[in-house]
Amino acid sequence: EAQVTQNPRYLITVTGKKLTVTCSQNMNHEYMSWYRQDPGLGLRQIYYSMNVEVTDKGDVPEGYKVSRKEKRNFPLILESPSPNQTSLYFCASSQQGFNQPQHFGDGTRLSIL
Amino acid sequence: QQQVKQSPQSLIVQKGGISIINCAYENTAFDYFPWYQQFPGKGPALLIAIRPDVSEKKEGRFTISFNKSAKQFSLHIMDSQPGDSATYFCGGDSNYQLIWGAGTKLIIKP
Repeated sequence: EAQVTQNPRYLITVTGKKLTVTCSQNMNHEYMSWYRQDPGLGLRQIYYSMNVEVTDKGDVPEGYKVSRKEKRNFPLILESPSPNQTSLYFCASSQQGFNQPQHFGDGTRLSIL
Repeated sequence: QQQVKQSPQSLIVQKGGISIINCAYENTAFDYFPWYQQFPGKGPALLIAIRPDVSEKKEGRFTISFNKSAKQFSLHIMDSQPGDSATYFCGGDSNYQLIWGAGTKLIIKP
């Protein structure tokens, strides 16, 4: 089954404790992206990747890092999480770009205390 | 600032009625306008999309109407059903990312 898998689905942690949210897709997609979703703000892009070893900032990249060492994986790293990063996070992928159907994971709800 | 403004924020429609959600954009260079549907606990999923060379696109009960001169587009859901209750997001493209509307929570009352 074609899917985007995120882990963990839920995480409660404390300020400053490094964490990684993994994202994996099995569709051989070139393009991957991370979003955060906050009430009233819709989806805001954090980082995206057009291909392996190619990443770029979205609208809200501060406090986040990403890497794309393999085509299927695109982890999101919070080196020193802060409470304002409490949010619902989504990973997405598409065949070649943002203007093609994006397939989303089911989300990761992060709470930073 | 490139934005996509979506309205209303929430909408309640009786079963069988027509649901209408509107979006307005600023950047005339946008050339891809999707609508995504999101159910609780799930990620958004593409519902229907349009490019500005057509004024309307229909897929089943879902129709996008596009007005290029007014820089507006809308989603119409005909014969709305309780299963259509979800949050809907519109978007417009910009370089290497989609600009998303803030979302509309649609509730269909039985």
